Amino acid sequence: GDSVTQMEGPVTLSEEAFLTINCTYTATGYPSLFWYVQYPGEGLQLLLKATKADDKGSNKGFEATYRKETTSFHLEKGSVQVSDSAVYFCALSDAGAGSYQLTFGKGTKLSVIP
Amino acid sequence: GAGVSQSPSNKVTEKGKDVELRCDPISGHTALYWYRQSLGQGLEFLIYFQGNSAPDKSGLPSDRFSAERTGGSVSTLTIQRTQQEDSAVYLCASSLTRAADTQYFGPGTRLTVL
Repeated sequence: GDSVTQMEGPVTLSEEAFLTINCTYTATGYPSLFWYVQYPGEGLQLLLKATKADDKGSNKGFEATYRKETTSFHLEKGSVQVSDSAVYFCALSDAGAGSYQLTFGKGTKLSVIP
Repeated sequence: GAGVSQSPSNKVTEKGKDVELRCDPISGHTALYWYRQSLGQGLEFLIYFQGNSAPDKSGLPSDRFSAERTGGSVSTLTIQRTQQEDSAVYLCASSLTRAADTQYFGPGTRLTVL
């Protein structure tokens, strides 16, 4: 079945540091890929998505590129802020294979210190 | 506009009791999903509904779990004879259609089984 593997946390960075959170996937079909974010005390929010190979999703300074050849969708941000402290989830849906639900990675907790 | 709402926000129950959790999706969204989030298992898919089609129940962990969606809108997740391992945050999400793959999440119901 489909699965998502993302780097274990927690990750602690200083403000303005560069962020990478690795995500790789296995899927039966041609999935859509997502990053969701959960801020402290809040619900899951879509951060960005990509639906086909080489697409780049971007939002709030975060970027991720759909790499079919390496089955990866790594999340990056050039300069993190304290307000980026949250749990980040990589996810996929595999509609082409008839699987419309999201399959999530375990989540990576990011803490940004001033 | 109004997002996905869930009630109650917190529910504490005794082992063996039945509980009902409610989800109101975004108006006009035809697809509705239930997930649960627990420390040990991460985010797991439970069930989804698309319009008047038969629901996909493939993620339900046991026959103690059931869900219905009335009138293509509000959904209720029922857990019978609750067990301590059912303690988790239950999340509801909706999307415009099954194929419109961006899912919007509610704030969740935190269930604690004593």
